[in-house]
Amino acid sequence: GENVGLHLPTLSVQEGDNSIINCAYSNSASDYFIWYKQESGKGPQFIIDIRSNMDKRQGQRVTVLLNKTVKHLSLQIAATQPGDSAVYFCAEGFSGGYQKVTFGIGTKLQVIP
Amino acid sequence: DAGVTQSPTHLIKTRGQQVTLRCSPKSGHDTVSWYQQALGQGPQFIFQYYEEEERQRGNFPDRFSGHQFPNYSSELNVNALLLGDSALYLCASSFATGFDSVTYNYGYTFGSGTRLTVV
Repeated sequence: GENVGLHLPTLSVQEGDNSIINCAYSNSASDYFIWYKQESGKGPQFIIDIRSNMDKRQGQRVTVLLNKTVKHLSLQIAATQPGDSAVYFCAEGFSGGYQKVTFGIGTKLQVIP
Repeated sequence: DAGVTQSPTHLIKTRGQQVTLRCSPKSGHDTVSWYQQALGQGPQFIFQYYEEEERQRGNFPDRFSGHQFPNYSSELNVNALLLGDSALYLCASSFATGFDSVTYNYGYTFGSGTRLTVV
C-alpha cells in the first residue's frame, strides 16, 4: 500500500508506553481542532476534537490538550498498542465559516512491540 | 450505515487526459468537501459543495472543477492532467448545520480516497 508517512517526522514508542504527539497551528481565528489518524491506503479517521473554549478533552485512551497562548495542540495516547501505528494529523477549523479544515504536518507513530 | 464511499479506488491516467472521481456522502450528510493529498503530506482543501453549488475553494487552478447532485453525491473533475496531479484524492462529507453528536465539526467524515497516478 502507499506510504502516507514518507518524509514525515517519526515518533517511535515502546508498546505499552504513553505517546505524545505535538502540533502547532497557525490561525488564531480557528475555534475547533481535530486529531486524525491515517493508516496506509486509508482516509483520515477522526480520533478526537476540542473547541477553543476548552483546554483539555478526554476520550478512550486519548487526551487532547490545547494551549491557545502558544497555538499548540497535543495528542496523548495511553498504553500505546501496535494498532496505533499510523500517521497522525492535527487540523484546525472555524465554526463561523464553511467547515473547511486545514491540516498540519503529520507525525508518523511507530509502535515497537 | 454506510460511511463515505469513493470510486474508483485507483486510477492511472496519461498527461493531458481528463478524470472524474466520485463520492457518495455518509447517510444524512448534505455537504461534500474534496481534498488532495500528495505523498508524505497532509490533505489540502480543494473545494466544498453544498446545495449543488461550490461555496468555498482552496488554492487550486480552474482545471479542478466539481459538481454536486440532488442526492448530495459529488464528482471531482480534473482536466489537462499534469504529473503533479498524482495524489490521493479524498472526499469528506458533513452536515451543513448543527453539530454531530460525536464531533464538534459537523460530523466531518472522510472516505478512503481515490489514488490517481498520472504517467
